[in-house]
Amino acid sequence: DTGVSQDPRHKITKRGQNVTFRCDPISEHNRLYWYRQTLGQGPEFLTYFQNEAQLEKSRLLSDRFSAERPKGSFSTLEIQRTEQGDSAMYLCASRTSGQQETQYFGPGTRLLVL
Amino acid sequence: GQSLEQPSEVTAVEGAIVQINCTYQTSGFYGLSWYQQHDGGAPTFLSYNALDGLEETGRFSSFLSRSDSYGYLLLQELQMKDSASYFCAVRDEEGQGGKLIFGQGTELSVKP
Repeated sequence: DTGVSQDPRHKITKRGQNVTFRCDPISEHNRLYWYRQTLGQGPEFLTYFQNEAQLEKSRLLSDRFSAERPKGSFSTLEIQRTEQGDSAMYLCASRTSGQQETQYFGPGTRLLVL
Repeated sequence: GQSLEQPSEVTAVEGAIVQINCTYQTSGFYGLSWYQQHDGGAPTFLSYNALDGLEETGRFSSFLSRSDSYGYLLLQELQMKDSASYFCAVRDEEGQGGKLIFGQGTELSVKP
């Protein structure tokens, strides 16, 4: 069990550029979540997958955001035409279906849009 | 709407006991969790209550009263390394997702 990993850990981009983040969950976890966290706030839910199926998306997730989990293992989160308001920490978490109480979080990708 | 309220910051001294309260108002409720997050780090799971009462895990305990929509995290024998942000979170089964709705966090500062 190597834990949840995310790549890159930091990303600086210019407004209008596209960025893509990757999350590798714990291997046997079939549920994967994306959250966004801004300074001084708690994580906010963005979307989640059960295996390769994206089953729920938050209203926070505008059409510039897209997430995939093509083989039910790693996931990617893409932000198109980034805006300064997208600057945040993007956290990935995973768990198994039967493990109701615990989500395991990755270290996050910190995005800064200039 | 869905909201969780917790104090923004708490200060205590080493060796002391501190209680961080959380009140919630959510459309669904399937348990109250607590997470710890150090500066620049990932949230890590501390405790979970699905039913009323007290759950104890070492120096940390968590309490839930579903009738009052209220819970708290109790940290005993505080250590400097306990300085961190603490988040309460409600598991929301709406949409079968089990996603977490987080409070804004309580920043705990432990002084010598």
